[in-house]
Amino acid sequence: DAGVIQSPRHEVTEMGQEVTLRCKPISGHDYLFWYRQTMMRGLELLIYFNNNVPIDDSGMPEDRFSAKMPNASFSTLKIQPSEPRDSAVYFCASSDLAGVETQYFGPGTRLLVL
Amino acid sequence: GEDVEQSLFLSVREGDSSVINCTYTDSSSTYLYWYKQEPGAGLQLLTYIFSNMDMKQDQRLTVLLNKKDKHLSLRIADTQTGDSAIYFCAEKDYGQNFVFGPGTRLSVLP
Repeated sequence: DAGVIQSPRHEVTEMGQEVTLRCKPISGHDYLFWYRQTMMRGLELLIYFNNNVPIDDSGMPEDRFSAKMPNASFSTLKIQPSEPRDSAVYFCASSDLAGVETQYFGPGTRLLVL
Repeated sequence: GEDVEQSLFLSVREGDSSVINCTYTDSSSTYLYWYKQEPGAGLQLLTYIFSNMDMKQDQRLTVLLNKKDKHLSLRIADTQTGDSAIYFCAEKDYGQNFVFGPGTRLSVLP
């Protein structure tokens, strides 16, 4: 398996623009997680899905953030409108309930909002 | 809520052992993990320990768990420059609630 795939790897945009981050989890994994990493706040869980259904979105900062998982192999995290304080690295991770139940992380999307 | 704490920085000399410490608060943790993050990359699982174990060894890595004190440590023997990275401690309860520590930045000096 290719692992968790995220796109784009880097995104530079202007304040007020819409940003869409994409994630393809590992095939067969039931859980998908979106994290945000900044120097100030470390790694923050934004939302996670189980079998394509959002389970806990309490970490989503505000209404400008939304996430969807239309099928088992694809998820998006959208920021509209974007603000400079959204600049961060956004990670997607997936896991299943077999084995050590760990999360496998994608390489991240580095977002810069000017 | 649950919390995981780590010291933020550690410097060691090449060839020495590194010990990275972590404390957690959730007594219902089932698994505890160590992840490594290299610059510009995602988190990579290094090793894990189940909560009913107190030690696990995997080549140069030794994980010690003191469940009574809720203390987890990662020892890296013969530390190399390639071990320079940020190391995250994480714990998980019976659900899918993962809690990550702030990460310890390990610098290996030649």
